[in-house]
Amino acid sequence: GAGVSQTPSNKVTEKGKYVELRCDPISGHTALYWYRQSLGQGPEFLIYFQGTGAADDSGLPNDRFFAVRPEGSVSTLKIQRTERGDSAVYLCASSLGGGAYQETQYFGPGTRLLVL
Amino acid sequence: SQQGEEDPQALSIQEGENATMNCSYKTSINNLQWYRQNSGRGLVHLILIRSNEREKHSGRLRVTLDTSKKSSSLLITASRAADTASYFCATDARGNQFYFGTGTSLTVIP
Repeated sequence: GAGVSQTPSNKVTEKGKYVELRCDPISGHTALYWYRQSLGQGPEFLIYFQGTGAADDSGLPNDRFFAVRPEGSVSTLKIQRTERGDSAVYLCASSLGGGAYQETQYFGPGTRLLVL
Repeated sequence: SQQGEEDPQALSIQEGENATMNCSYKTSINNLQWYRQNSGRGLVHLILIRSNEREKHSGRLRVTLDTSKKSSSLLITASRAADTASYFCATDARGNQFYFGTGTSLTVIP
């Protein structure tokens, strides 16, 4: 079946611009996660959704970052007033249900964001 | 901040040899997972080991967990060139959050 998909694959923007990154989880997966990965580092947790609600957004670095999942499926990560330090690969993952510590997360291919 | 640390940071071996990489973490966990990543893109889940388990096998993979030492190891036996990738451990230190280590970059030379 289809895995997690993310669009766009690559995004180049200018400092100060607004960007939206999209994630389509595996159908039927209620849990969705966003991570950010800088070069040479492991993924860093940003936010976790259970259904439509953000169950844990403690990883968002500041208020320029925001994510939504209005219908409990597709999610959009929004970054306002982008800065060069936001350049990274943004990864999305989904898992079947709640209780994340019991479950495998399935990752998308990521969106590579470059802020010039 | 990242909870896990993999060791070594980089490992280069000949095809057919075994590869061992280690992960240490700081706080108590419910489970620990190992992932593989090619070319800095999507991660592929390899194996999950729960805190009450000590060893788990999956094909050529063997994972051990020592909760008293807060460490885990991943052994890949009879390595192949296709095993070349970065390997990460991830722990669920805060329930819904997964903390990934910095990764071990494995190169298998044909």
